Amino acid sequence: DGGITQSPKYLFRKEGQNVTLSCEQNLNHDAMYWYRQDPGQGLRLIYYSQIVNDFQKGDIAEGYSVSREKKESFPLTVTSAQKNPTAFYLCASSQGANQPQHFGDGTRLSIL
Amino acid sequence: AQSVTQLDSQVPVFEEAPVELRCNYSSSVSVYLFWYVQYPNQGLQLLLKYLSGSTLVESINGFEAEFNKSQTSFHLRKPSVHISDTAEYFCAVIGNTGFQKLVFGTGTRLLVSP
Repeated sequence: DGGITQSPKYLFRKEGQNVTLSCEQNLNHDAMYWYRQDPGQGLRLIYYSQIVNDFQKGDIAEGYSVSREKKESFPLTVTSAQKNPTAFYLCASSQGANQPQHFGDGTRLSIL
Repeated sequence: AQSVTQLDSQVPVFEEAPVELRCNYSSSVSVYLFWYVQYPNQGLQLLLKYLSGSTLVESINGFEAEFNKSQTSFHLRKPSVHISDTAEYFCAVIGNTGFQKLVFGTGTRLLVSP
């Protein structure tokens, strides 16, 4: 079955540590996205990529970085510069601009 | 830019009762509209979408939504809810030209009790 796989499901970060969240899709979608979800705030866009080797900042990109070296992969790194990283992180993909986005099951990041 | 307002943060309802979850949007351009459902500790699942054509769209599990351009609304309805419908529901809007960001509402938690 086609879909989006996020790993790990739970992740813990120590102070000063960078952590990387994995997102892989086998839907052959061109566009991929990373969102952060906090209680009562809905989803906020961190980064997005319309095509391989290209990505753009979303609304809350500070403290995060991404890469898009392969069509099927869009990893997100939460750097030590992100002072409040505790959240639920969701990866999504879509066939193209404005098309429905398909989501993975998320990664919950917590601070030790 | 677009924005979405979901006025109700939580809607409690009894099983087999009807329910309406409200969604209003604002946009200076034509839009596509979506409803997503999220179960605890899971990602979002697309429930239904309005891209063009008939303003009434339906899902396979009995939900429906109607696009009302004059009132800029896309309310979600179900005539008879089940316990299993308990979840968080997100309305989302995106401009339909060029590459635009999908904008989400803050969500409505539907609580169905026996």
